[in-house]
Amino acid sequence: EAGVAQSPRYKIIEKRQSVAFWCNPISGHATLYWYQQILGQGPKLLIQFQNNGVVDDSQLPKDRFSAERLKGVDSTLKIQPAKLEDSAVYLCASSSDNPNGYTFGSGTRLTVV
Amino acid sequence: EDQVTQSPEALRLQEGESSSLNCSYTVSGLRGLFWYRQDPGKGPEFLFTLYSAGEEKEKERLKATLTKKESFLHITAPKPEDSATYLCAVQEWAGGGADGLTFGKGTHLIIQP
Repeated sequence: EAGVAQSPRYKIIEKRQSVAFWCNPISGHATLYWYQQILGQGPKLLIQFQNNGVVDDSQLPKDRFSAERLKGVDSTLKIQPAKLEDSAVYLCASSSDNPNGYTFGSGTRLTVV
Repeated sequence: EDQVTQSPEALRLQEGESSSLNCSYTVSGLRGLFWYRQDPGKGPEFLFTLYSAGEEKEKERLKATLTKKESFLHITAPKPEDSATYLCAVQEWAGGGADGLTFGKGTHLIIQP
């Protein structure tokens, strides 16, 4: 089966600019997650979707981050305006009801200068 | 207060030299404990899920065990291709369908030929 697709692979922007990341989950996976991984740390959950509804966005900095999952398939994560501390890898993951973990994409590496 | 603490942060072993990685956790209700492997530039790759104290799972040279306070990932006779960052994560029982993972910072493992 095809994996979780993410784009772009890399992005460099200046602070205060906006940026968007795209994720296409594994076909049929109802649940989609966005994680932020800062260099040297483990991934941190930003938001969880079940189909096209938000299940958990308690750790999403809502003053600058937003996410949507229209039609319950692919998803977009946006940052506006970006700060230096947003430099990280943004990982998308998806899961079905299978308890054997989530499948992660390769991520988008964001550098804010 | 960190919920998931991994040790050591880094570990260098000779090929064939067995060792263990530790993951200690503090959660109110453990739903599952996950181990992932992460290679540079890639997303985490699922290894194991453990659900209750005393449970063990094996895969090739890896064996994961779980107690009420910690988990161990035992690596037997490792090979250079086992070099990676190993991430531990916990999933808590939560309402509303929220099932995101809380990760530790990982153990960076290097196996020298």
